[in-house]
This record gives sequence, C-alpha cells and structure tokens, in this order.
Amino acid sequence: KQEVTQIPAALSVPEGENLVLNCSFTDSAIYNLQWFRQDPGKGLTSLLLIQSSQREQTSGRLNASLDKSSGRSTLYIAASQPGDSATYLCAVNNNDMRFGAGTRLTVKP
Amino acid sequence: DTAVSQTPKYLVTQMGNDKSIKCEQNLGHDTMYWYKQDSKKFLKIMFSYNNKELIINETVPNRFSPKSPDKAHLNLHINSLELGDSAVYFCASSQTSGSSYEQYFGPGTRLTVT
Repeated sequence: KQEVTQIPAALSVPEGENLVLNCSFTDSAIYNLQWFRQDPGKGLTSLLLIQSSQREQTSGRLNASLDKSSGRSTLYIAASQPGDSATYLCAVNNNDMRFGAGTRLTVKP
Repeated sequence: DTAVSQTPKYLVTQMGNDKSIKCEQNLGHDTMYWYKQDSKKFLKIMFSYNNKELIINETVPNRFSPKSPDKAHLNLHINSLELGDSAVYFCASSQTSGSSYEQYFGPGTRLTVT
C-alpha cells in the first residue's frame, strides 16, 4: 500500500529565502505526482503535476522534481514571499490518490 | 467560472440524520472523487467514479454512498450521521483518459455532527 511522507511537517523562514519541501513515497509504480497548496479553511489549489516519465516541472518561482526510482520528490520555492504561507501537500497517483500529511510553511515579512 | 463546486459550504446537523453534499464540475472530466479531511488535516480518498462506475471504494462505512446522476455530478449521501463523520469533505475531478490525471478540487464542505 502506497505511503506518502512529507518532511518537514512545519517550516518557518524569513521572506526572500529559497526553500525545499520534501516528499517521499514507498511504491514507485506511479502515474504522476501532484503538488498542492491549501490555505487555512480553503480547498486545494494544484501547483504542479509531474508525470511519471518526467523529471521536473516549473511554474514561476516553483520547481518540482521527481526521482521515481528512489521514491522522492522535492518542491523548490525561490525567493519566498509572505503570500506563500500555506500548507503544501504532495499527492501520489497510482490508481488512487494518496496524500502526504503536508508541510505547513510560514514566510515571515 | 467555477471549475468544481460543492454545496453546501457548511453543514451542521445532529447525530442520526441523513444528509447529502452536492458536487458539480464544468471541466468535462470523466472521473470525479470524494475525499475526507479529518481534524488532523489528513486527506484520504473515499470514492471515485468514472463513467458512472465506481472504480475505487476505500474502506468507508456503507452509510456513505456516492450517487452520480451524470458525468458532471457526484453527490455524497450520508445516512445515520455519527460524531466521527465531522470533517471537511472535498470533491475533485480529473480527466483520466489521455493520462493527464491532474486533479482539480472543490472548495470543500465542512460537516459538523452534534
């Protein structure tokens, strides 16, 4: 059964820092991996989707990488801003979607 | 121009009642899902529907039943509500043919059972 782990559980950084969020999964036979953002009391916003055949995806200040063989993905956020404060969720899709517990990010002005 | 919408946004009800949550997507996707997010914020899939067929059914109580009147709707019916059913329920959709599988989520329905 697929298990998804996200480290760290919480992260607090000053504005302007570059940061990396980690996601690991136990079953490498995946269709894709998706990173989401969730603001308090809100739904999920899709940030990046990486297909199993891809190594990385970029959108603006966000870059997500995928190493399927080692069961890892990272989400890199460049030049962090207070508006980036949210919970970031990693989800792995191999016939059904399994979510990690999330990383709660706080970017201090 | 809402892609995935849910109603109601908040639902407060008493134990033992039967309730429904509605979900609609206007993305033309072929698969819809229901997720439960518990008090610890952990998201877990409950159901998915593809072309009116249930293709995933996690070990949820049979008090929960998804109903899909058409491809754009997947409603969640809950019978005999219990305190432990209190959570936020999210609907999502994706296009699984063509292997995109990117999921789009609704805003969530916060269910409180008293």
